[in-house]
Amino acid sequence: KNQVEQSPQSLIILEGKNCTLQCNYTVSPFSNLRWYKQDTGRGPVSLTIMTFSENTKSNGRYTATLDADTKQSSLHITASQLSDSASYICVVSPNTGGFKTIFGAGTRLFVKA
Amino acid sequence: GAGVSQSPSNKVTEKGKDVELRCDPISGHTALYWYRQSLGQGLEFLIYFQGNSAPDKSGLPSDRFSAERTGGSVSTLTIQRTQQEDSAVYLCASSINRGGLAGQETQYFGPGTRLLVL
Repeated sequence: KNQVEQSPQSLIILEGKNCTLQCNYTVSPFSNLRWYKQDTGRGPVSLTIMTFSENTKSNGRYTATLDADTKQSSLHITASQLSDSASYICVVSPNTGGFKTIFGAGTRLFVKA
Repeated sequence: GAGVSQSPSNKVTEKGKDVELRCDPISGHTALYWYRQSLGQGLEFLIYFQGNSAPDKSGLPSDRFSAERTGGSVSTLTIQRTQQEDSAVYLCASSINRGGLAGQETQYFGPGTRLLVL
């Protein structure tokens, strides 16, 4: 079972609309949670990073929220643009020794004109 | 201010051949990671280098996979006797390790190498 699950798998929205992507995780205890954006043919780029004590973090039109009690995070995109078309990946780093950063499979977002 | 670069960008090879993938991390980054991304799947950790420490190879899927990092900078991922299931995008990332747990820092990714094994 994946320790980081994202939904939906894919999403199509019209330009200018808002959308929210979900991330549920079972990793515990965890140190931080990140959202990455991956354009087609590119490597992922970090959008936000939150520690377990943070509830929200914004980066321009991107706002990430975190509920450490329910182990849920969301990424809200406001006033979407065509350039927002990409995969959005949720990444959780556990608060344990060794390297065990866990990546979700991503949500593929398509923004249509 | 170059980012992480990888080469080649695309590689098509025949089953059974060996391939080498190269990663040039951001200058000054002490940590380097290799991942594999199969179609529709999340990134799969392969190997992690940190400074002069022994690498964490716990993610390598088989002994056909190996990697080295020369001089604490450039890294090469080698896949011997490639199989069709090795077809994927191989991503490299680097980060500055400030003494915390591995993987805690923001990782900067290269564009990846798309490997297709026929």
